[in-house]
Amino acid sequence: DIQMTQSPSSLSASTGDRVTITCQASEDLLDYLNWYQQKPGKAPKLLIYDASNLEAGVPSRFSGSGSGTDFTLTISALQPEDVATYYCQQYDNLPRFTFGPGTKVDIK
Amino acid sequence: EVQLVQSGAEVKKPGESLKISCKTSGYTFRSYWIAWVRQMPGKGPEWMGIFYPTDSDTRYSPSFQGQITISADNSIDTAYLQWSSLRASDTAIYYCVRLNATGRLSNWGQGTLVTVSS
Repeated sequence: DIQMTQSPSSLSASTGDRVTITCQASEDLLDYLNWYQQKPGKAPKLLIYDASNLEAGVPSRFSGSGSGTDFTLTISALQPEDVATYYCQQYDNLPRFTFGPGTKVDIK
Repeated sequence: EVQLVQSGAEVKKPGESLKISCKTSGYTFRSYWIAWVRQMPGKGPEWMGIFYPTDSDTRYSPSFQGQITISADNSIDTAYLQWSSLRASDTAIYYCVRLNATGRLSNWGQGTLVTVSS
């Protein structure tokens, strides 16, 4: 099975800061990777699909990059409403999929 | 509008059985895989298994194989997740989610909290 890791596990940044979260896979995923945002008490919400494509309606301060085994989610200017936990999700072997362990983002 | 509406919170005792539901609307139910995802308190989502309504093709994560049953009723566009004997460790929020052909999980249910306690 493909193993997913994320770093950091948590971070605290100021409003307006650039925030970067990384996701690493144990095998080559090509670009079969999505990113989700989850706020407390809510279901995960899709932000980025196929590693770098912005889901409709998601603010443009969110972006994704990477391919193969190393991927990055970037928030260009952190906003208070971005406080959440972020998960990567691989789908190399549909219909199976797995999530990373998550990165919790807080505001300083 | 695609919607997945799950049944309400449950409180059960160890050893009891349970079946929770996920009522869908706004799309052709038979055409998409429906997955169930567990989220334990303070943890990330875990893929439990998935069901394809057209032919009842069902796949389970090895971690959940034999512990759960996933099914659906195509006549009412509803998917189900059931346990025959709950354990305290089954306490979690359970989500149903529609899987798009491209691997995207764009549509989620609101989650069902299952609490198992003696």
